[in-house]
Amino acid sequence: EVPLLESGGTLIQPGESLRLSCAASKFTFSSYAINWVRQAPGKGLEWVSGISTRGDKTYFTDSVKGRFTISRDNSKNMVYLQMDSLRAEDTALYYCAKELRTGAGDPFDIWGQGTMVTVSS
Amino acid sequence: AIQLTQSPSSLSASVGDRVTITCRASQGIRNVLAWYQHKPGKAPKLLIYDDSNLESGVPSRFSGSGSGTDFTLTITSLQPEDFATYYCQQCSTYPLTFGGGTKVEIK
Repeated sequence: EVPLLESGGTLIQPGESLRLSCAASKFTFSSYAINWVRQAPGKGLEWVSGISTRGDKTYFTDSVKGRFTISRDNSKNMVYLQMDSLRAEDTALYYCAKELRTGAGDPFDIWGQGTMVTVSS
Repeated sequence: AIQLTQSPSSLSASVGDRVTITCRASQGIRNVLAWYQHKPGKAPKLLIYDDSNLESGVPSRFSGSGSGTDFTLTITSLQPEDFATYYCQQCSTYPLTFGGGTKVEIK
C-alpha cells in the first residue's frame, strides 16, 4: 500500500470532463494540505492546484482557473481534481502530493506515482 | 506569480564532481525555497526545504543555500544515482511555482 495513489487518467477528447482521484494512506490525511502537480511530455513540473486541510481553501494556477476544481473527503482519505473543458495543453502526467507540514503553502514530501491524462481527438 | 529561473538548464558532469545549480526568483523570498530530484518514471523526491534544510534520509552531499532572490543547490561529490533532473520550488505565494529544471547528465 503506497501513501498516495492517483487514478482516473485516460485518453479524452478536447472539451470533455474528467475527474482524477488521489487515495491516501499511512499518514493522518486530515492534517495535511494536498496538491496536484503535472508534467507534460518532455516538459518540467507545473503546480496545478492545492487544497487546505479542511477543504475550505483552494488554489489554482491561472491556466486552469474556472475549469478545474479540487475537493477532498477527509472521511475517505481522498482528494479529487475535477477537470472540465479539457484542452490539448492539459495533456500531462498528474501527480498528487502531500505537504511536508500542517498548514498550506509548504513543500511536498510525499508524491504519488502519477496518472496520465491525454487530451486528443 | 513568482517566476523561478534555473541555470544551467543542463550540465554534464563526472562521478565525484562538485555540481552547483542556481535558482533565481523574480522577487525576494525567504525560507520558502525547496529543491527536488526527479528521475524518469519515478515520483519527484524532496531534497531541501526552507532554503537549506536537508530532508530526512537525503545524503549530506546535498546542500542548499541562498537568500533573497538567489539560491543554490550543491552536490559536493556526484554519485551515479544523482544523475537526474533537479527543480527548485517556491512555497511563499500562490500560485506555487517550480523552476524550469536542470538535467544533470553523465560526462
